[in-house]
Amino acid sequence: DAGVTQSPTHLIKTRGQQVTLRCSPKSGHDTVSWYQQALGQGPQFIFQYYEEEERQRGNFPDRFSGHQFPNYSSELNVNALLLGDSALYLCASSGGQAGYEKLFFGSGTQLSVL
Amino acid sequence: KNEVEQSPQNLTAQEGEFITINCSYSVGISALHWLQQHPGGGIVSLFMLSSGKKKHGRLIATINIQEKHSSLHITASHPRDSAVYICAVGGGNKLVFGAGTILRVKS
Repeated sequence: DAGVTQSPTHLIKTRGQQVTLRCSPKSGHDTVSWYQQALGQGPQFIFQYYEEEERQRGNFPDRFSGHQFPNYSSELNVNALLLGDSALYLCASSGGQAGYEKLFFGSGTQLSVL
Repeated sequence: KNEVEQSPQNLTAQEGEFITINCSYSVGISALHWLQQHPGGGIVSLFMLSSGKKKHGRLIATINIQEKHSSLHITASHPRDSAVYICAVGGGNKLVFGAGTILRVKS
């Protein structure tokens, strides 16, 4: 049983560009959340998707948007990239028989904005 | 003041020592998570607790809801325990994370 998978693992972009990160949740999970982790800091909640809708959102600008597909996989899109968007982006999934409190994390996508 | 405070920020221990990492929070929660993050980013959930105490192998987590405080203990520490330990609080997937405690266990 594959856990949470994210792609790509590393990405380099320049300021002003747009980026799309992808996440496949653990089998049986229907809820996906995204987090941004800057170097040396704890992760920060970006948003959560359930039933293909954004259910909760953290304190992130509208440049950060997402999508959830019928198979529960999810994308995180960031427009007009800034240098400060350089971070590790983590996806976590939950739901199904395991319930919604225990989270399973992917290994993350390391985004560098030059 | 951050909503979730961890102490210490850095911890170096000798193999075999008993280790304690503390977490204090100021927000209402439905659950508290202890997570382990290794270099390269992967995060593993160690514990999720809303009251009392949980034990898994050499790891013990406790929480005091009234005092809004939790501790993670590692008994008989080993170099493979070296990692960043993160406390996170909240409900469901919307968690507020502490900055983490960097633990290094020397042999």
